[in-house]
Amino acid sequence: SAVISQKPSRDICQRGTSLTIQCQVDSQVTMMFWYRQQPGQSLTLIATANQGSEATYESGFVIDKFPISRPNLTFSTLTVSNMSPEDSSIYLCSARQGYGYTFGSGTRLTVV
Amino acid sequence: AQSVTQLGSHVSVSEGALVLLRCNYSSSVPPYLFWYVQYPNQGLQLLLKYTSAATLVKGINGFEAEFKKSETSFHLTKPSAHMSDAAEYFCAVSMNTGNQFYFGTGTSLTVIP
Repeated sequence: SAVISQKPSRDICQRGTSLTIQCQVDSQVTMMFWYRQQPGQSLTLIATANQGSEATYESGFVIDKFPISRPNLTFSTLTVSNMSPEDSSIYLCSARQGYGYTFGSGTRLTVV
Repeated sequence: AQSVTQLGSHVSVSEGALVLLRCNYSSSVPPYLFWYVQYPNQGLQLLLKYTSAATLVKGINGFEAEFKKSETSFHLTKPSAHMSDAAEYFCAVSMNTGNQFYFGTGTSLTVIP
């Protein structure tokens, strides 16, 4: 199965700034996904990223706050913009392979 | 509509005891079902998956799960718990087609020495 390298693994950021999270997949995948896991909660899908098209955002998430890039079939980025303490979460990328999904190791973001 | 319910947000078992983590799903069509494990400060790792083949699915680390359509359940079991099994476990469901993937709220497993 595919292996996803996600970075940074963690960061502490000042409110009002932005952070870009990168995910590199070791094989070509059609669909990539970005999730947020708030403290003590399950995973919530932020958006689906297809190569060559605009990302599709779930209810409650908007492109201005979470812009996503998908320049090729092995790479994607998620930016958390104009951060506030409420954005402190773990962010995970995922790639679909067949019936299942492979996940990156996550980015633990703390906004102070 | 798809959804997953994990009964029990926290489960504690003694080392060597049976592990049983419960998952029930709702789906209008036969689903694909998954169990993922998340160790502290790490991402998600696939334990096992059901994709309409054998109803008893064996996964990694000695875990297995049985798909019971009549009960709409996909409970995760392991005969003998190890200390290293302490983690967060997530049940997830997706449809036969389409890309939406729904996670349960997770069950935190504690193993008592």
